[in-house]
Amino acid sequence: AQKITQTQPGMFVQEKEAVTLDCTYDTSDPSYGLFWYKQPSSGEMIFLIYQGSYDQQNATEGRYSLNFQKARKSANLVISASQLGDSAMYFCAMRESDDKIIFGKGTRLHILP
Amino acid sequence: DAGITQSPRYKITETGRQVTLMCHQTWSHSYMFWYRQDLGHGLRLIYYSAAADITDKGEVPDGYVVSRSKTENFPLTLESATRSQTSVYFCASSEFISLTQYFGPGTRLTVL
Repeated sequence: AQKITQTQPGMFVQEKEAVTLDCTYDTSDPSYGLFWYKQPSSGEMIFLIYQGSYDQQNATEGRYSLNFQKARKSANLVISASQLGDSAMYFCAMRESDDKIIFGKGTRLHILP
Repeated sequence: DAGITQSPRYKITETGRQVTLMCHQTWSHSYMFWYRQDLGHGLRLIYYSAAADITDKGEVPDGYVVSRSKTENFPLTLESATRSQTSVYFCASSEFISLTQYFGPGTRLTVL
């Protein structure tokens, strides 16, 4: 069974609109962390945001926020006021207590002018 | 220059040859990681290291060997390359496991 599921292989969004990228995870570990990364067409991996399983509040970093719903095992990335430069591949990832990090297969986001 | 670097950036080799991909970081981060990225699979963890001389297997370790004699270096060796190991390889480091992973630029490896 997949530990990280990103159900949207691709998304098209109009510039300036908000975007939600879905991520669900599967773990029985009480201590875990969730990450989001961006990979533009140039290929580099860029860290966006991190949420710990014990964090009480949803993580935010500028235009990025993580909608963490622990009971639903959901960690969606929300990008507010999307920009053309947000067009990229986005990966959700999870770390469990054994320190291994598992990535989802990614969502390709296209921002339309 | 500070940061995390990988070499070579591009490599073409033949089946059966030994190949070593280098990774170097200047932050003295404790943790270092090797991933491979293939279409349809996202990134998959090959090996990781929590400190010098401590390494552990990830999701897809078969066919790979790592070592970490110094904190700043984490080479990945393909002892006998196979075509299925054609991929883009990323090295990453982080100070603590829960904090940001900084990725290198990647090495595109082609095995003919």
